Amino acid sequence: AAGVIQSPRHLIKEKRETATLKCYPIPRHDTVYWYQQGPGQDPQFLISFYEKMQSDKGSIPDRFSAQQFSDYHSELNMSSLELGDSALYFCASSIPGQGLSDTQYFGPGTRLTVL
Amino acid sequence: AQTVTQSQPEMSVQEAETVTLSCTYDTSESDYYLFWYKQPPSRQMILVIRQEAYKQQNATENRFSVNFQKAAKSFSLKISDSQLGDAAMYFCAYRSGTASKLTFGTGTRLQVTL
Repeated sequence: AAGVIQSPRHLIKEKRETATLKCYPIPRHDTVYWYQQGPGQDPQFLISFYEKMQSDKGSIPDRFSAQQFSDYHSELNMSSLELGDSALYFCASSIPGQGLSDTQYFGPGTRLTVL
Repeated sequence: AQTVTQSQPEMSVQEAETVTLSCTYDTSESDYYLFWYKQPPSRQMILVIRQEAYKQQNATENRFSVNFQKAAKSFSLKISDSQLGDAAMYFCAYRSGTASKLTFGTGTRLQVTL
């Protein structure tokens, strides 16, 4: 079965640089979620989109922005990168409001390292 | 705000034995969902099992089952016939019926020994 695709899988950036993470949801999934997992920590919710509109917002820094496009893929843009942004960034997708289908399925993650 | 607590940072089980991972949560809502996710060394987040709060029957998925005690706000995961491949970090997660985000516990690292 098709899964959530994230690219790139690994990314190394310098401080103050920018980064763009991409997420391609499971086909027919129209909701996308972004999570950040620091070393040794649990995933923290950043932001979600439903039908290209922001649906929920968590602890996302103002330096980060995200959007969902017409084909439902999503991009997380991160500017003025800091050392503390080094983490595993997960994207998840779901179909909302359809019983078991609204379960969030996670992609493999993008490991961002800021030097 | 909802909180999820996993009080066991690490657990160990012998192969073929049974182990139970604990999770408690705090919420004032009546409509919510609970999940267990597994994160092996690959760091992939894999759904193990899901429970709707309005269902009294405990969810079961092959060797994995839950003990959902709504009044006690407890949601433990039982793994039967443990296998080496079960070794991973296990996260308990809560989702409100009216919001999209998952709130995770701090995780329990499960070791499976021969």
